[in-house]
Amino acid sequence: NAGVTQTPKFRVLKTGQSMTLLCAQDMNHEYMYWYRQDPGMGLRLIHYSVGEGTTAKGEVPDGYNVSRLKKQNFLLGLESAAPSQTSVYFCASSYSRGGRNFGPGTRLTVT
Amino acid sequence: DQQVKQNSPSLSVQEGRISILNCDYTNSMFDYFLWYKKYPAEGPTFLISISSIKDKNEDGRFTVFLNKSAKHLSLHIVPSQPGDSAVYFCAALRNSGNTPLVFGKGTRLSVIA
Repeated sequence: NAGVTQTPKFRVLKTGQSMTLLCAQDMNHEYMYWYRQDPGMGLRLIHYSVGEGTTAKGEVPDGYNVSRLKKQNFLLGLESAAPSQTSVYFCASSYSRGGRNFGPGTRLTVT
Repeated sequence: DQQVKQNSPSLSVQEGRISILNCDYTNSMFDYFLWYKKYPAEGPTFLISISSIKDKNEDGRFTVFLNKSAKHLSLHIVPSQPGDSAVYFCAALRNSGNTPLVFGKGTRLSVIA
């Protein structure tokens, strides 16, 4: 039982490049989330999903897209990376809207 | 506008003493509250929660108190241990509708041996 896993763990991008962050969970959770954590800003919700095939915008969705084609996976895409997207990205899942199981994080640097 | 506020960015406590972390919220529709703990280079982990129908919830060394009239909750850790040194996030949820969890900015706790 791996819980929530994230791929990759680290990545450096140049401005304008694109990439996809992959989140996988093996707990059969309906809800999945993408957060970013910046110094002094806490955890801010980017996008979330309440079930397979659904997505919704969170607090800071601009510059990101998501897809939930399979229940166990939630992908976060950056189409054209900007330095402001340098952050640590956390994926989480839950069986309800309450407690979250978080992944270990992806540290992204955009130069 | 911040709906969940943790006004102390950091807190230092001696080992064996009590740690009290505070959290205030502005939205009276919140009715479920959670605390998460985060070590460096790791994801946050769930610590303890409380429903608005209670004013106290205890789990070992950790107790969360909720004062609904003041829109205030606090996390007490007794006795504090060096391994408790981490960033603690308060979070709140509305149980009606489909709104996700709202996090505070976190408080860094340092327990000094």
